[in-house]
Amino acid sequence: AQKITQTQPGMFVQEKEAVTLDCTYDTSDQSYGLFWYKQPSSGEMIFLIYQGSYDEQNATEGRYSLNFQKARKSANLVISASQLGDSAMYFCAMREGGNTDKLIFGTGTRLQVFP
Amino acid sequence: DTGVSQDPRHKITKRGQNVTFRCDPISEHNRLYWYRQTLGQGPEFLTYFQNEAQLEKSRLLSDRFSAERPKGSFSTLEIQRTEQGDSAMYLCASSLPWASANVLTFGAGSRLTVL
Repeated sequence: AQKITQTQPGMFVQEKEAVTLDCTYDTSDQSYGLFWYKQPSSGEMIFLIYQGSYDEQNATEGRYSLNFQKARKSANLVISASQLGDSAMYFCAMREGGNTDKLIFGTGTRLQVFP
Repeated sequence: DTGVSQDPRHKITKRGQNVTFRCDPISEHNRLYWYRQTLGQGPEFLTYFQNEAQLEKSRLLSDRFSAERPKGSFSTLEIQRTEQGDSAMYLCASSLPWASANVLTFGAGSRLTVL
């Protein structure tokens, strides 16, 4: 079973509008971390935001916020006031607890911001 | 802080040849990771090092793949007897594991094309 599911292959949003990118995850661990990365066409993965499983507040970083619903196992990324430079691939990832230090990534969502 | 550097950025080779990629992490980061990303997919974990010790390897890392980090600084990833299925972007990342989220900083990747 997929551990990270991103069901939106592509999304369009108009400049200055908000957009939500969906991510659901599957784990039996109590301790885990959730990440969002942006990958522009240049290829470099850029860290956006992190949510720990025990964090009670939703994470926010500037225009990015993470809508964390633990019972539903979802960790959606909200981008407010979209900019043309936000056009990129967005990946959700999870690190489970225990002795592993690997990130498990979803298949990504391509966001296109239009004027 | 010059970020994570990867070399070469692009490599085209013929099937059966050996290739080697180099990664220079952020100098104060003692963890170094290798991921592989094929077209239309998210990155997949290959292996990671803490200093010079290789602590975890994915089953994706077949016996044709070998990674080293001899002095705990730069790392190399060698692929022997390349196959067309090895064509992918090879991403390197580094981190400080004692930071709260252990956020990975990625390089721009090395794109391999096997003809």
